[in-house]
Order: sequence, then C-alpha cells, then structure tokens
Amino acid sequence: DIQMTQSPSSLSASVGDRVTITCRASQGISNYLAWYQQKPGKVPRLLIYAASTLQSGIPSRFSGSGSGTDFTLTISSLQPEDVATYYCQEFNSAFGPGTKVDIK
Amino acid sequence: QVQLVQSGTEVKKPGSSVKVSCKASGGTFSSYTVGWVRQAPGQGLEWMGRIIPILRIASYAQKFQGRVTITADKSTSTVYMELSSLRSEDTAVYYCARGFYESSGYYGYWGQGTLVTVSS
Repeated sequence: DIQMTQSPSSLSASVGDRVTITCRASQGISNYLAWYQQKPGKVPRLLIYAASTLQSGIPSRFSGSGSGTDFTLTISSLQPEDVATYYCQEFNSAFGPGTKVDIK
Repeated sequence: QVQLVQSGTEVKKPGSSVKVSCKASGGTFSSYTVGWVRQAPGQGLEWMGRIIPILRIASYAQKFQGRVTITADKSTSTVYMELSSLRSEDTAVYYCARGFYESSGYYGYWGQGTLVTVSS
C-alpha cells in the first residue's frame, strides 16, 4: 500500500494569512489526489480532486497543486470558518494523517 | 440529491463481527465506487476498502485484508461492510462514501457515520 504523509500536523495562523499544507506519497501517484476538510463532529467534505480541481461550491481561496509524490493545499486568505482538520487522500485509497488548522 | 443512509450504532464483544449497511438513494447506484472509511475517537481518517457494485469487485487496505468484507446488493442499492475478529482498537465511527462521478475514487458523498463500540 502507498503511504501518505502530511506536514505540519497542526498550525495556527491569523485571519487573512496564507496557509500551505503539504502531502507526500510514498510513491508516485500522478495527480490522483484529493483534499478533504473535516470540521469537529462533521463528516468530511471534498475540497479538491485530481490534485488541483476545485469541487463545485468550494470557495476559490482554496487551491491545490502538485503531481507525482508532492502536493500542496493552499488557503489564500484564512477565514474563521476554515478552522478544521485537512486530509489528503490517494484516489480510492489511503488518507494522510491530517493537519489541524486553527486561528491564532 | 444523493443520500447515503447508514445503519445504527452497534455495541459488540471482542472477537465478534459487525456488519454495517449503507443505503444509497437519488442517482444511479451500480457504477459508482463506494468506499468505507473509519475514524477512531480523536484520530484521523482510515481507508478500509471499496467496491464498485456493478462489477462486484472489492479491494481492501492491506491492514484489513482477511478481516473485512465489502459487498453490494444492487436490488436494494445497499453496500455492506463486515469486520470480523473485533478488538477494542476497532472502536470507531465507520463511514461509507461514494465517488462523486462514475468510477471516481474521490468521495463526494458521505453517510452519516455508524459508531461501533467494541467492549467486553
């Protein structure tokens, strides 16, 4: 099985800050990567698929990039409602351990 | 509107098995991947396996091989996940999730979750 890692495991930033989360696959997965947001007590929500395609209804401040083994999720201007844990996932397979984002 | 409705809370003894159901409504069922993901208390998401109902082909994470079985009943648009030889570490919320387009492994729709507690 391919292993997914993420960094950092948590971060604290101010409203309006640019936030970047990285995800690494143990072997190349082309662009077969998704990002999910999970708020406390809620089910995960798909944000981005195919590494960089924004899911319908997701704010444009979220963006994704990368290919092969290294991927990033960027929030261009952090908002209070973005407090959540973010997970990367290989297509139909393993999740990363998550990155918890909160407001400083 | 696609909806995935899961069966209710389960309490099981160590060594027993649990079978959780996930009934889909609103849209074609058979050609969409359905995956199972679990989340232990305070922990992250863990992918367990998936099935494409029309193909009746399931694949599983190595960690759960031999202990998990995912099946589908096309007549009732229901997917099942059975986990055997339960231990306390299997206490978690179990989610089913569906690909948001045909054959997609990107999970755009999620069930509400089923809490499984394993305790003697």
